[in-house]
Amino acid sequence: NAGVTQTPKFRVLKTGQSMTLLCAQDMNHEYMYWYRQDPGMGLRLIHYSVGEGTTAKGEVPDGYNVSRLKKQNFLLGLESAAPSQTSVYFCASSYKREGTYEQYFGPGTRLTVT
Amino acid sequence: DQQVKQNSPSLSVQEGRISILNCDYTNSMFDYFLWYKKYPAEGPTFLISISSIKDKNEDGRFTVFLNKSAKHLSLHIVPSQPGDSAVYFCAASARETSGSRLTFGEGTQLTVNP
Repeated sequence: NAGVTQTPKFRVLKTGQSMTLLCAQDMNHEYMYWYRQDPGMGLRLIHYSVGEGTTAKGEVPDGYNVSRLKKQNFLLGLESAAPSQTSVYFCASSYKREGTYEQYFGPGTRLTVT
Repeated sequence: DQQVKQNSPSLSVQEGRISILNCDYTNSMFDYFLWYKKYPAEGPTFLISISSIKDKNEDGRFTVFLNKSAKHLSLHIVPSQPGDSAVYFCAASARETSGSRLTFGEGTQLTVNP
């Protein structure tokens, strides 16, 4: 099992460009999440999904869109990148099970917006 | 409003000694707490968790203590090893939260010196 994979690993964008980050999991998890990690701020939730075809906003959703067309994939889009979106992005997934909160993380995507 | 706080950005200990990482929370609805460990250029990995019905959970060298009245938890690592050097994140969740979302602290960089 590959677990949670993220594509790409690194990317440099110019202000105003768009891109899509892909997350894939092979654990048949219902829930999926996108976080960003910035120095001194921990992991902040951008968007999440509780199942195929559903998405919801997290703590810092502005400037991002997401889609979950297939259960195993969760896409994060930046329509018009800004320097404030320079960050490391992590995808995670978890089971839908009472009393279970453990999330499994991908290796991250380092994005720089110039 | 930072609901989960790790007030120490860094901690340095000698190999073989005890490492104590602290975490405070403000939301009284939180009833499940987790610690994650993160190495550079990797995603966070789950370390240990505790439910609010307990005050201690132990797994090998790692023990988490929960003080509900003080809204405080701590992670003890005994004995500390150089391989434990990483960033440690505290996270919390509430049973009624949609999607089993986690709220993370800012992280503490632990350095274990040989």
